[in-house]
Amino acid sequence: GEDVEQSLFLSVREGDSSVINCTYTDSSSTYLYWYKQEPGAGLQLLTYIFSNMDMKQDQRLTVLLNKKDKHLSLRIADTQTGDSAIYFCASNTGKLIFGQGTTLQVKP
Amino acid sequence: SAVISQKPSRDICQRGTSLTIQCQVDSQVTMMFWYRQQPGQSLTLIATANQGSEATYESGFVIDKFPISRPNLTFSTLTVSNMSPEDSSIYLCSVFSGRMGGELFFGEGSRLTVL
Repeated sequence: GEDVEQSLFLSVREGDSSVINCTYTDSSSTYLYWYKQEPGAGLQLLTYIFSNMDMKQDQRLTVLLNKKDKHLSLRIADTQTGDSAIYFCASNTGKLIFGQGTTLQVKP
Repeated sequence: SAVISQKPSRDICQRGTSLTIQCQVDSQVTMMFWYRQQPGQSLTLIATANQGSEATYESGFVIDKFPISRPNLTFSTLTVSNMSPEDSSIYLCSVFSGRMGGELFFGEGSRLTVL
């Protein structure tokens, strides 16, 4: 079945850029998403990208999609302590399949 | 955006008992999805609930353990039956936004602890 993989942990300093990576297996994915989950909270959709796009920018967030390699990344510019959270990528093949989540730690 | 309400928001349950989680959406939706998030883990899809038909369960999940009802287009329930400590999780109801991006909206989740 569909599989979505992420690295588990990333630590950056405040003000630096963060890049969170994700790979997926199902080439029929129509949309790919990035969700954010803060401790004790629900999931918040950050952004999504259609599978025929290779880049999407939304303020501090840049999503890059390499469809050939089935690789998705989320870049957060000027990372702030408030960005500390777990970030999930997800693939839509008619239902959403989530990666394991990447814990982003932002050090002051 | 859809507003999804779940009840209970949290509960502590005894081993062997069953608990029903309710999910109410403020608009009519065709499909509702139930996910489980075990402690420190990602979200795993349990089943898709369609109104007027039986739920479709993912591999590893069965109707006897997780019966689902979908009586109308705005409401669904998930029952966690004969609970064990391994069922301690957050259970999340979700629906598609209906927008072009096809993203899911999530309820706040129901955090179950089984003793």
